[in-house]
Amino acid sequence: AQTVTQSQPEMSVQEAETVTLSCTYDTSENNYYLFWYKQPPSRQMILVIRQEAYKQQNATENRFSVNFQKAAKSFSLKISDSQLGDTAMYFCAFRVDSNYQLIWGAGTKLIIKP
Amino acid sequence: KAGVTQTPRYLIKTRGQQVTLSCSPISGHRSVSWYQQTPGQGLQFLFEYFSETQRNKGNFPGRFSGRQFSNSRSEMNVSTLELGDSALYLCASSLGQGANEKLFFGSGTQLSVL
Repeated sequence: AQTVTQSQPEMSVQEAETVTLSCTYDTSENNYYLFWYKQPPSRQMILVIRQEAYKQQNATENRFSVNFQKAAKSFSLKISDSQLGDTAMYFCAFRVDSNYQLIWGAGTKLIIKP
Repeated sequence: KAGVTQTPRYLIKTRGQQVTLSCSPISGHRSVSWYQQTPGQGLQFLFEYFSETQRNKGNFPGRFSGRQFSNSRSEMNVSTLELGDSALYLCASSLGQGANEKLFFGSGTQLSVL
């Protein structure tokens, strides 16, 4: 079975701090792609960052970076210099080459405090 | 460029009725996928259409159906509504060329079944 586990239901940090959200996944496929999506109160899912499993280098997008450990099937998201606008639900997800559906984790509610 | 548009934003129905939700993808996108989001089950894949053909289907009963038109707009239909169908229904569009693609989401349709 293909699954995604996010072990932190909720996290809160002070503005400007660094926070790391955890994600582990399980798949027997060799080619797959990992994603972090953000869902603010507006409900619209927004892609934060993505990683191809065949790439060893960790993806980065400005203040967002990932720690991808393929052998451990771990894909954590680090947010540096957190901002109030980062407050949202964060979902970890993956897709495999043979199937176009996204498999989602349960999400982590992130609260950035002023 | 206009984003993904879902209509209506909110819908209230009673058990036994049927409902049709609409999704207009970003211009040029040929793939439209649908997801159901509930507090209990999280995000679950319903189906994905590409060039009017259903490419993938999730594990939902036959009461859930969809279609895609030649202009890539998509509709999903739920017949004989049950209380458990209350959820946020999200639509996403992409070019449909590969599993590593970024999905662009609409703001969803919040369906309440009474």
